[in-house]
Amino acid sequence: AQSVTQPDIHITVSEGASLELRCNYSYGATPYLFWYVQSPGQGLQLLLKYFSGDTLVQGIKGFEAEFKRSQSSFNLRKPSVHWSDAAEYFCAVAARSSASKIIFGSGTRLSIRP
Amino acid sequence: NAGVMQNPRHLVRRRGQEARLRCSPMKGHSHVYWYRQLPEEGLKFMVYLQKENIIDESGMPKERFSAEFPKEGPSILRIQQVVRGDSAAYFCASSPIDREMGAAKNIQYFGAGTRLSVL
Repeated sequence: AQSVTQPDIHITVSEGASLELRCNYSYGATPYLFWYVQSPGQGLQLLLKYFSGDTLVQGIKGFEAEFKRSQSSFNLRKPSVHWSDAAEYFCAVAARSSASKIIFGSGTRLSIRP
Repeated sequence: NAGVMQNPRHLVRRRGQEARLRCSPMKGHSHVYWYRQLPEEGLKFMVYLQKENIIDESGMPKERFSAEFPKEGPSILRIQQVVRGDSAAYFCASSPIDREMGAAKNIQYFGAGTRLSVL
């Protein structure tokens, strides 16, 4: 069955520290891969996406993610977090066929320590 | 260019009442998706619609829930005879989807959601 696993429910890092949020997926073939961010009471904003090509993708707000086919992973990273990065982060996949539903992970809540 | 617009932002209903949630996609988008987010959980797909057609409703509960996307006007998610378990945030997303333009057109853009509370 198709699924997305985010093993860390809640992570706290100090402001200025580096960040890595883990994501693993189970899918029949390499899907499209996404990271979304959700601030409290808000909708989802797309941080970055992987469709094909370079496995290291750059996104908005200084985030990047690396697709590793052998590990079925798509981890999100940021070298130095800011207090405004505190939010819920969702990893997601979608089929490579035409328009398709998105399957979301359960999310990782990021807190920033001053 | 306005984003995906959802209204109302907050909706309170008593058990047994009907809830109608509206979604206007981004300009130029003809594909709409509805997702539900229960407290402390990720988003779960409900239904995918194009104008006047339901394409995939595999995530819709079999009873009380329906969705439409008419030729004119917003998409509507309708929940009849609401129960407390329907309390959740309901998100709408839209995408342009042009098969000739490649994968990038498959990106879904999300609205701010409607938070439904059933008393």
